[in-house]
Amino acid sequence: AQSVTQLDSQVPVFEEAPVELRCNYSSSVSVYLFWYVQYPNQGLQLLLKYLSGSTLVKGINGFEAEFNKSQTSFHLRKPSVHISDTAEYFCAVTPGSFNKFYFGSGTKLNVKP
Amino acid sequence: DVKVTQSSRYLVKRTGEKVFLECVQDMDHENMFWYRQDPGLGLRLIYFSYDVKMKEKGDIPEGYSVSREKKERFSLILESASTNQTSMYLCASEGVNQPQHFGDGTRLSIL
Repeated sequence: AQSVTQLDSQVPVFEEAPVELRCNYSSSVSVYLFWYVQYPNQGLQLLLKYLSGSTLVKGINGFEAEFNKSQTSFHLRKPSVHISDTAEYFCAVTPGSFNKFYFGSGTKLNVKP
Repeated sequence: DVKVTQSSRYLVKRTGEKVFLECVQDMDHENMFWYRQDPGLGLRLIYFSYDVKMKEKGDIPEGYSVSREKKERFSLILESASTNQTSMYLCASEGVNQPQHFGDGTRLSIL
């Protein structure tokens, strides 16, 4: 069975500072990995995805994530955050069959001026 | 762009009522999902459907049922609403080898 752990429930950061949101997963099979963002009172929006190939994945809004198979991690990074990045971020995994997603409990990113 | 539309953004119902949450997608996706989202628990899968009239239980199906009579529409039904079903409900659809696309959610309050 798959599971996803987002260790940080909340991450406060000042505007223009770098940020890393951590995601670790456990799985006995190969997985596909995703990061979603949820702005207040909205649904989830796909930020980026790792399916295969390069382990460094670039997404929208200047975010990127690196897949590390040995550490079973898929941490999300941004070199310089904006106030508008304040949102909740969810890491998700799915086995290759694409029929069940497993979500982490979410990390709330709070960007302060 | 994929469009997943949930019929209500906010809904208030009473205990014991039968509640219908509707979800429509416009991309001819086979797979559709219903999740509930609660603080600190992330998203939990209630039911999913991989074809018309087909459904599978997710992780927390108790107290819910679903209906998929047409490919584009996936309905979640609370047979007899209870206060512990107060939550944010998210619908998603998924095509072949694509990530899930989500609606804006329905915030349901059961009084």
